[in-house]
Amino acid sequence: AQSVTQLGSHVSVSEGALVLLRCNYSSSVPPYLFWYVQYPNQGLQLLLKYTSAATLVKGINGFEAEFKKSETSFHLTKPSAHMSDAAEYFCAVRIDRGSTLGRLYFGRGTQLTVWP
Amino acid sequence: DGGITQSPKYLFRKEGQNVTLSCEQNLNHDAMYWYRQDPGQGLRLIYYSQIVNDFQKGDIAEGYSVSREKKESFPHTVTSAQKNPTAFYLCASSPLGGQAVYGYTFGSGTRLTVV
Repeated sequence: AQSVTQLGSHVSVSEGALVLLRCNYSSSVPPYLFWYVQYPNQGLQLLLKYTSAATLVKGINGFEAEFKKSETSFHLTKPSAHMSDAAEYFCAVRIDRGSTLGRLYFGRGTQLTVWP
Repeated sequence: DGGITQSPKYLFRKEGQNVTLSCEQNLNHDAMYWYRQDPGQGLRLIYYSQIVNDFQKGDIAEGYSVSREKKESFPHTVTSAQKNPTAFYLCASSPLGGQAVYGYTFGSGTRLTVV
């Protein structure tokens, strides 16, 4: 079985503060991992992805994530939050096996609020 | 530019009516997906298709139907059998095989309100 858990449905930070959004996955085989961002009434946009190359992955808008196999985690960070980062963030895992080929499994999302 | 287009952006229907949501992609992706999004519940997979004329039920297929007659098109019907159809619906596409590491490309969504 595979699943994704995002710890914390809501995270609030002050502008300029560190952003940390947590994601843990369960998988019996090496996964591909993704972070997506969604602004209100829009689709999801890919922030970054891990595909078994470097464990520290840099994405758009200054975000990065580190794949830690021992902790089965793929937490998303940004050193300094900006007001424009306020959005909902989704972690997703993909395991290619049999009939699930290509399917992504999404976490429930974390709403990020940035205070001025 | 390549992308995935959902239409309309907003849709209102009376209870008991079927409604079809459009999804078109020009990315030459093999796979296409329909998700439903409700506040606090993340994305739930309704149906997906990996090849023309074939599709599979996702986690919440009851009350929905789809077709895949062309590679670039994956229309989705919300039928009157769907008990709670008001939601935000997202369509996505992806390559398969080695190209699939690129993940999904999403449309901008359709917000359906049933009154």
